Amino acid sequence: AAGVIQSPRHLIKEKRETATLKCYPIPRHDTVYWYQQGPGQDPQFLISFYEKMQSDKGSIPDRFSAQQFSDYHSELNMSSLELGDSALYFCASSFSPGLATDTQYFGPGTRLTVL
Amino acid sequence: QKEVEQNSGPLSVPEGAIASLNCTYSDRGSQSFFWYRQYSGKSPELIMFIYSNGDKEDGRFTAQLNKASQYVSLLIRDSQPSDSATYLCAVNGPPGNTGKLIFGQGTTLQVKP
Repeated sequence: AAGVIQSPRHLIKEKRETATLKCYPIPRHDTVYWYQQGPGQDPQFLISFYEKMQSDKGSIPDRFSAQQFSDYHSELNMSSLELGDSALYFCASSFSPGLATDTQYFGPGTRLTVL
Repeated sequence: QKEVEQNSGPLSVPEGAIASLNCTYSDRGSQSFFWYRQYSGKSPELIMFIYSNGDKEDGRFTAQLNKASQYVSLLIRDSQPSDSATYLCAVNGPPGNTGKLIFGQGTTLQVKP
């Protein structure tokens, strides 16, 4: 079965640079979620999109922005990168947000290292 | 206090034993509860979800939910060394929520041969 695709898998950037992470949800999934997981931490919700509209926002810095496109893929844009942005970034997708049976499936993640 | 609490462990059990993982949550309106398994450096993998009080079984895994006590657990029967991982408990919001998940800090399980 098709899974969530994320690219790139690894990314190394310098401080103050920008980065763009991409997420391709499971086919027919219309909802995308972004999570950030620092070393030894649990995943923290950043932002979500449903039918190409932002549906919720968590602890996402103002330096970050995201959008969902007409083909339902999503991109997370990160500017003025800081050392503390080094983390695993996961994208997850689902197709029935708000229902008791809704389940999120996670992509393999992008490991961002800021030097 | 975190919204979702788990004992970070490590929880160590011998191969073939039952591993019991526990989780409490603070929002009484939470609708659904999830258990994810995460190997180091990998993405969370959905093990089970539950939204009704009682037990739900899937193979070697049983999820238990008690909404009155705001408590959810995961039992792993016949534990195998390959079950050694971090188990994340996650909770979403009330009916009609946006679907975002709130995670606990995870419990590290070690299954010793």
